Amino acid sequence: DQQVKQNSPSLSVQEGRISILNCDYTNSMFDYFLWYKKYPAEGPTFLISISSIKDKNEDGRFTVFLNKSAKHLSLHIVPSQPGDSAVYFCAASAGGGADGLTFGKGTHLIIQP
Amino acid sequence: NAGVTQTPKFQVLKTGQSMTLQCAQDMNHEYMSWYRQDPGMGLRLIHYSVGAGITDQGEVPNGYNVSRSTTEDFPLRLLSAAPSQTSVYFCASNFNEALSTEAFFGQGTRLTVV
Repeated sequence: DQQVKQNSPSLSVQEGRISILNCDYTNSMFDYFLWYKKYPAEGPTFLISISSIKDKNEDGRFTVFLNKSAKHLSLHIVPSQPGDSAVYFCAASAGGGADGLTFGKGTHLIIQP
Repeated sequence: NAGVTQTPKFQVLKTGQSMTLQCAQDMNHEYMSWYRQDPGMGLRLIHYSVGAGITDQGEVPNGYNVSRSTTEDFPLRLLSAAPSQTSVYFCASNFNEALSTEAFFGQGTRLTVV
């Protein structure tokens, strides 16, 4: 049973527009959420995170929103740039992360010129 | 800055062979972990370590062993390789005491078991 779900395997967005990547989770014990970006043949790189005590975290062009009642989070990228084309993984942890991270399957974001 | 270094980058094994995937970090991080990524799947935790001499199992530990004799190194051993262990393996380390915080990943080892 997948505890972190990214239901869109791929997403195509025009350069300069907003990219919205979605993530749903089922485990109510999750209290920390992260987004990772991955290019082919490279390891994932940390992008942005949010604690369950917040509903929004912003870092430059990247904003993560958390809706705890809906068990849903989203990553907004504004404006989208060609270098943003990559696979984005949503990840979650519970209770200080002692059991590591639980990842979604990823969304392949394609930024079109 | 080397960060997290994994060797080898690619490996082909025959069923039943054993091997060790190496992982080293130079950031003096206490926390290290191993994940595997299969096609169409997210990363799944195999084993992790919260410090030298301490290891524990993750979600998919069967068929793998780990040890942590130093802060820098966290090797992953495949005891008897099986085709189901064909995957891309990522090692990660964290500077914080919680595995949930920002993890730095290596570039991965692509393993094929035939």
